[in-house]
Amino acid sequence: EPEVTQTPSHQVTQMGQEVILRCVPISNHLYFYWYRQILGQKVEFLVSFYNNEISEKSEIFDDQFSVERPDGSNFTLKIRSTKLEDSAMYFCASSERETGAYNTEAFFGQGTRLTVV
Amino acid sequence: AQSVTQPDIHITVSEGASLELRCNYSYGATPYLFWYVQSPGQGLQLLLKYFSGDTLVQGIKGFEAEFKRSQSSFNLRKPSVHWSDAAEYFCAVAFYSSASKIIFGSGTRLSIRP
Repeated sequence: EPEVTQTPSHQVTQMGQEVILRCVPISNHLYFYWYRQILGQKVEFLVSFYNNEISEKSEIFDDQFSVERPDGSNFTLKIRSTKLEDSAMYFCASSERETGAYNTEAFFGQGTRLTVV
Repeated sequence: AQSVTQPDIHITVSEGASLELRCNYSYGATPYLFWYVQSPGQGLQLLLKYFSGDTLVQGIKGFEAEFKRSQSSFNLRKPSVHWSDAAEYFCAVAFYSSASKIIFGSGTRLSIRP
């Protein structure tokens, strides 16, 4: 069964450093998403991406965050200057169409645990 | 504002007992509804989903959920829980007006008493 894959599974970085979290969405999917989950809290939407541009973003997704689809398969989340409060599990997801449209669901990866020290 | 409420933070049930996890949403139109399960340190696994049609939906691992429009609820049920069901359960919704994102509830942690 096709799945969304994320690398690395765990990343430790020093405060102020840049990190890039990588995701390979399911191959025929057109919509891509990043979510994050701070330890012990709920999963929060960060950004959605379609047709090589951001279609929606939350207030969390400020100027330190950026997303990119550098080639035909990868989808990345970059955090330019990490802060302690960026420590969280980051989930990538993809869907064939917009979530809900034509009974479309989003498929989530296993997550990357980011620890900022 | 659109929101999802899971009123129970932590529930403990005995193995073999029945389970119901509550979920309410606030939005005027019909949402798309999901239940996800997360085992410790793991990702999100979709248990079941509702888009339209029959309001009682069946999912994996013996779970089911019922959409009640009048109560804005989508409660998750299982007739007999197993120790392996211990996990965090998240109710989630997507709304037609903003279908590019899913809004998650705060989760309910399920513990199983032997």
